[in-house]
Amino acid sequence: SQTIHQWPATLVQPVGSPLSLECTVEGTSNPNLYWYRQAAGRGLQLLFYSVGIGQISSEVPQNLSASRPQDRQFILSSKKLLLSDSGFYLCAWRGVISSPLHFGNGTRLTVT
Amino acid sequence: TQLLEQSPQFLSIQEGENLTVYCNSSSVFSSLQWYRQEPGEGPVLLVTVVTGGEVKKLKRLTFQFGDARKDSSLHITAAQPGDTGLYLCAGEAGGTSYGKLTFGQGTILTVHP
Repeated sequence: SQTIHQWPATLVQPVGSPLSLECTVEGTSNPNLYWYRQAAGRGLQLLFYSVGIGQISSEVPQNLSASRPQDRQFILSSKKLLLSDSGFYLCAWRGVISSPLHFGNGTRLTVT
Repeated sequence: TQLLEQSPQFLSIQEGENLTVYCNSSSVFSSLQWYRQEPGEGPVLLVTVVTGGEVKKLKRLTFQFGDARKDSSLHITAAQPGDTGLYLCAGEAGGTSYGKLTFGQGTILTVHP
């Protein structure tokens, strides 16, 4: 069966520090991968998506970047965090179109 | 840009009451999904509706997709405290959308015993 791992679960970082959140998927190949951000338990905002290794599309201009160095690995990064980067970050994968979106358990990022 | 307006944003009811959550858009979606999320976890899929006018039932939950595939509703009958959580609708545009989903703002449901 397929599983998705996302870490760390919580992170507190000072303003100006770098960020690296990692997500890996097991049990499937060539998934579509997504990074979402959720503010205060509300709707999800799509940040990045990837349809293959090295292929990254950004949905909104921001202080973050994403990379996909391997088929089932998706990384969210920042060189210098801003206070506004605080939030709940969710990684997700999807197989064929119209199939469910499978989410990790998220990372709660607090920038202080 | 496709938008999904979800209402109400908050719902606080007593156990045994019925409720309906709405999801509306001016855009047509090829499919619409409903998710439920617990605090500190990722959303989990409840149902996918694909055909205009489609109705799906999941125990006490009834999901409907509008005829024009622009809106959807979630109706819960005889709500229970275990139904408490964040409910999210999400629409897929189809075509070359690469499986991206547009999410509504969510409805925080609290069912009091």
